[in-house]
Amino acid sequence: GAGVSQSPSNKVTEKGKDVELRCDPISGHTALYWYRQSLGQGLEFLIYFQGNSAPDKSGLPSDRFSAERTGGSVSTLTIQRTQQEDSAVYLCASSLVRGTSGTNTGELFFGEGSRLTVL
Amino acid sequence: LAKTTQPISMDSYEGQEVNITCSHNNIATNDYITWYQQFPSQGPRFIIQGYKTKVTNEVASLFIPADRKSSTLSLPRVSLSDTAVYYCLVGFPGGSYIPTFGRGTSLIVHP
Repeated sequence: GAGVSQSPSNKVTEKGKDVELRCDPISGHTALYWYRQSLGQGLEFLIYFQGNSAPDKSGLPSDRFSAERTGGSVSTLTIQRTQQEDSAVYLCASSLVRGTSGTNTGELFFGEGSRLTVL
Repeated sequence: LAKTTQPISMDSYEGQEVNITCSHNNIATNDYITWYQQFPSQGPRFIIQGYKTKVTNEVASLFIPADRKSSTLSLPRVSLSDTAVYYCLVGFPGGSYIPTFGRGTSLIVHP
């Protein structure tokens, strides 16, 4: 597709259930980011992928959160045993890596987000 | 990482020019200044990026003084559709770049 695609757009789940959120980045973008945004707040960084590897997982809030990326393309963010405080919009962004040194242009292209509500 | 400070909110009226200033006193030599715009229920969208002096595109202008300790995003003749949150980011877009978004500036344009 032309842009970053995220699914589902909305997810309502019960506390304690596991959820999977999917991100399909722009073709050719090797850098992929996950952010979380609570109501009225800024974006909270979760994890960054360069290809299939995640050099920076520092933002994952707990061990209930994990993410993977396969084939240098689609990424899945998994939240196990969801809690009410996990309710937020989860945003995915991709970016083009420029040059053989891995220099990033810096421009992120965001998806529409996945709104998660934990009851 | 250079910390940025920008107003929490601003109000304006249709047709006016809006200037949003961002402070980044500890900006590093290699850092660029990037602004994003976020509409409700959407992800942020890149608006403009600069290193020094002035940059202009079809959406906005970015003014950066010589000391680079601040920058001003200028939106000419705003309309109701410019109501959004505007984020100022500072960092070097190379290596393992992690763009850091603060609270941003919530701009409300009134009729």
